[in-house]
Amino acid sequence: SQQGEEDPQALSIQEGENATMNCSYKTSINNLQWYRQNSGRGLVHLILIRSNEREKHSGRLRVTLDTSKKSSSLLITASRAADTASYFCATDDAGKSTFGDGTTLTVKP
Amino acid sequence: GAVVSQHPSWVICKSGTSVKIECRSLDFQATTMFWYRQFPKQSLMLMATSNEGSKATYEQGVEKDKFLINHASLTLSTLTVTSAHPEDSSFYICSARRGLVYEQYFGPGTRLTVT
Repeated sequence: SQQGEEDPQALSIQEGENATMNCSYKTSINNLQWYRQNSGRGLVHLILIRSNEREKHSGRLRVTLDTSKKSSSLLITASRAADTASYFCATDDAGKSTFGDGTTLTVKP
Repeated sequence: GAVVSQHPSWVICKSGTSVKIECRSLDFQATTMFWYRQFPKQSLMLMATSNEGSKATYEQGVEKDKFLINHASLTLSTLTVTSAHPEDSSFYICSARRGLVYEQYFGPGTRLTVT
């Protein structure tokens, strides 16, 4: 079974709005990563946040990690139509990555 | 950044035949490579972990005699789907990492269709 569960499963917003996706996991982790996948394509690594970090930024992306709640969030600010994709969190435990179910984001122009 | 390639990017084969998919790390040596399978509109499911020079470790429910994995060098791992059936049709993605402290780098995926 998947380690991570993502919420919401699908999100539809207007261009310019912010998008927030959440990921919850069950066991202790070394780090957590967020990936993006365009339909039918491979994965693109977005951000890695280690277990001793609480927040990380990369451009329009902001990731938070709360190890006490075993949860992480990905915020995309000022969204663009090109941000339309599926977003997955993956937890790293003992060298293996386990993926969440993903959030499908649609940004309408 | 680190680059991982896969070949072929898509393949169509007949039921009962075998298909080999290659995963290469182009600019780094990968001590560990992973193989994932993704069905439409679903997440990635880890199939197996392979370390260079040793036998792959398969996840529960993955038939090791059907999905043969070879990690012969630090830059190449292969997945062979033997006696393919239509239900093996899926998107197969590999990833590679240099060591435990490094992130995984994913290949672009191979779409397999078994007719």
